[in-house]
Amino acid sequence: DAGVTQSPTHLIKTRGQQVTLRCSPKSGHDTVSWYQQALGQGPQFIFQYYEEEERQRGNFPDRFSGHQFPNYSSELNVNALLLGDSALYLCASSLEATHGYTFGSGTRLTVV
Amino acid sequence: AQSVTQLDSQVPVFEEAPVELRCNYSSSVSVYLFWYVQYPNQGLQLLLKYLSGSTLVKGINGFEAEFNKSQTSFHLRKPSVHISDTAEYFCAVKNNNAGNMLTFGGGTRLMVKP
Repeated sequence: DAGVTQSPTHLIKTRGQQVTLRCSPKSGHDTVSWYQQALGQGPQFIFQYYEEEERQRGNFPDRFSGHQFPNYSSELNVNALLLGDSALYLCASSLEATHGYTFGSGTRLTVV
Repeated sequence: AQSVTQLDSQVPVFEEAPVELRCNYSSSVSVYLFWYVQYPNQGLQLLLKYLSGSTLVKGINGFEAEFNKSQTSFHLRKPSVHISDTAEYFCAVKNNNAGNMLTFGGGTRLMVKP
């Protein structure tokens, strides 16, 4: 049974560019959350998608946006990249009304 | 608002020794508590979680944690560590008032020495 799949695994972008990260949830899960983990820190909640809608958002600017598709997969988009956006971006899937979160291996984004 | 404090950024320990990783949280309402492990260049793997019931929770790889409501703590323990336990450990909290987000602590790096 495949867990959470994220792509790409690594990415290098230039300041000011835009990036799209992708996530396929674990089979049977319908909710996707995104987290940003800066080097040496704990993950920070960006937002969560359920039924193709953004249900909850953390303290991130609107340069960060997302989408969820009918098959429950999700994308995270970041516009006007800053050096400070360099981080590991983690996707977590879950089944609504449960407390089981499965994390992917992440996408390492480097902004130069 | 909820927050999590992991009191030790690094914990060195010799192989086969016991270890305790400390976690304290702040929340005005009932919480759900989690411990995750992160190996180098990997995502987060759930070790254990407390949702309700018995305050002593057993997880994978021989880890256990005890929920202490009066001290707002959820410390992780293992009676005998292995070299393979070397990793970053994160405590996380969730409460219904904060929706479905997990709030993580800053992490504790467990370094097991031979």
